[in-house]
Amino acid sequence: QKEVEQNSGPLSVPEGAIASLNCTYSDRVSQSFFWYRQYSGKSPELIMSIYSNGDKEDGRFTAQLNKASQYVSLLIRDSQPSDSATYLCAVNLEGNQFYFGTGTSLTVIP
Amino acid sequence: DTGVSQDPRHKITKRGQNVTFRCDPISEHNRLYWYRQTLGQGPEFLTYFQNEAQLEKSRLLSDRFSAERPKGSFSTLEIQRTEQGDSAMYLCASRYAAFRNTEAFFGQGTRLTVV
Repeated sequence: QKEVEQNSGPLSVPEGAIASLNCTYSDRVSQSFFWYRQYSGKSPELIMSIYSNGDKEDGRFTAQLNKASQYVSLLIRDSQPSDSATYLCAVNLEGNQFYFGTGTSLTVIP
Repeated sequence: DTGVSQDPRHKITKRGQNVTFRCDPISEHNRLYWYRQTLGQGPEFLTYFQNEAQLEKSRLLSDRFSAERPKGSFSTLEIQRTEQGDSAMYLCASRYAAFRNTEAFFGQGTRLTVV
């Protein structure tokens, strides 16, 4: 079983809609959770981090964490065409290496 | 520029040749990670350092791969006797790990093509 799993997509949403991206992880002792955005041919850039159960909001982005269900999600409100990218979920175990999912490809249709 | 820097950005090499990549982390970051990414996949962990010590190396990593961080600052990743399957984007990331919950920041990557 992979440590971090994401639906590969592609996920398509119309401009202005909410995009919902989901991620599950296998290791219950995972402590830190991150969402990265990666444009084609570029390196990942950090969008959000979340460490505690519940929601964390930053502008149009909201990360949600449920440790009991081993589930983390990212909501993008008022989606823009510039949000079209691959979104990577990353889990950090005990402050050591980061495990990444395969990413979800998001397309925002104008 | 205070970000993570990788050099070269692109490398084309013939099969069987050796290649070396360099990563300069953000200056105060003590943890440095190497990842490999192929098309349609997420970054795959290769190895990481805390200061100059190599703390973990992926079991999937061939003996042809070696990494160093001699003074706890920049790091190099060497691939010996390259194979076509080594073609990928090689990503370096760094973070400050005095606290558990800190983010990792990536460099722009080195894209390797083995022909």
